[in-house]
Amino acid sequence: SQQGEEDPQALSIQEGENATMNCSYKTSINNLQWYRQNSGRGLVHLILIRSNEREKHSGRLRVTLDTSKKSSSLLITASRAADTASYFCAGALSGYALNFGKGTSLLVTP
Amino acid sequence: ETGVTQTPRHLVMGMTNKKSLKCEQHLGHNAMYWYKQSAKKPLELMFVYNFKEQTENNSVPSRFSPECPNSSHLFLHLHTLQPEDSALYLCASSQRTGEIGEKLFFGSGTQLSVL
Repeated sequence: SQQGEEDPQALSIQEGENATMNCSYKTSINNLQWYRQNSGRGLVHLILIRSNEREKHSGRLRVTLDTSKKSSSLLITASRAADTASYFCAGALSGYALNFGKGTSLLVTP
Repeated sequence: ETGVTQTPRHLVMGMTNKKSLKCEQHLGHNAMYWYKQSAKKPLELMFVYNFKEQTENNSVPSRFSPECPNSSHLFLHLHTLQPEDSALYLCASSQRTGEIGEKLFFGSGTQLSVL
């Protein structure tokens, strides 16, 4: 079953602006991961945050996790046209395989 | 390059055809996965192989038949598919460290069209 649900479904911003995407999930997780997908390609892992962490940074990416609200956010600062892609959150419902949401489609215009 | 290679990149097949999708990983991982991505739907986990043994089958119809001859190769055999099976099929691998929810490495996918 679907573990992550991203919001908004689509986001359009201009270069230089920040982009924030949210993810909600239904059950307890061991960790939550964010992936990026360029059109028609495979997903690329961006960042992993464990259930005992609240915030994590990687370059222009900042991820927060609130386990009490079962939610996470991904912030991309100073966005670039090359950031245009779909972004997915994923958590492990059980076992080891990840369950993904429908994704947020981000468009960054020059 | 992610170290996971899928072939072919595109495939068009009729409903009576038999075809196979191939996935190869060069990362030394022990787990391999098939996911299906349809338009406007979440990625659907189809199968998981762990050290060549199938550990998850997510109620996938029997017209999809996976095969994992070794930890580096994964196939998805297709026969008598339906038009609604048209989708992007993604292969992924992970190291199998024992942690729940491992980082996945994806191939570029096979875009399948069933006519």
